[in-house]
Amino acid sequence: DAGVIQSPRHEVTEMGQEVTLRCKPISGHNSLFWYRQTMMRGLELLIYFNNNVPIDDSGMPEDRFSAKMPNASFSTLKIQPSEPRDSAVYFCASRGQLDQPQHFGDGTRLSIL
Amino acid sequence: RKEVEQDPGPFNVPEGATVAFNCTYSNSASQSFFWYRQDCRKEPKLLMSVYSSGNEDGRFTAQLNRASQYISLLIRDSKLSDSATYLCAVNTDKLIFGTGTRLQVFP
Repeated sequence: DAGVIQSPRHEVTEMGQEVTLRCKPISGHNSLFWYRQTMMRGLELLIYFNNNVPIDDSGMPEDRFSAKMPNASFSTLKIQPSEPRDSAVYFCASRGQLDQPQHFGDGTRLSIL
Repeated sequence: RKEVEQDPGPFNVPEGATVAFNCTYSNSASQSFFWYRQDCRKEPKLLMSVYSSGNEDGRFTAQLNRASQYISLLIRDSKLSDSATYLCAVNTDKLIFGTGTRLQVFP
């Protein structure tokens, strides 16, 4: 079975550039989550979707961050303009039923120079 | 107060030792609970769910205490390969993670 698929695996770009991270959830899962992980702050929930609808975006740091889920099999997290403090590992996870665990993708390691 | 709290460690234990981690949560409406394992530079992976009656998977035992609002993970007969960060996760409508407890098992 294919797990959660994220792309790219690594991204290095200069500050000010637009960054787009992509995620394909596990087929049949109806909840999708975007996390950011750093040494200082640990694993932070940025936003999550149920049935393609954003439910809670309270973790999105600021207006530079946006996320979309146009259909059940695809989501994007966009940062525009990017800043060095956005450097982190960004994970996407999906879940089936409400009481089930989440399954994570391999993550995107983002470095903003 | 954080919603989910863990001792960050590190816990340094010899092979064969028994080690226990605790995790406290603040939302009494939390519905389901999990332990994840994260290796360096990898994604968190589900280790086990935590059930009200407690549950065991080989050398690993998880317990839930709803009255005191904590969950625990016990690892018996530690192996070198158990070295990792262990994150507890607490579910209401979304999964909230603790910051993780670092375990280092030495020979």
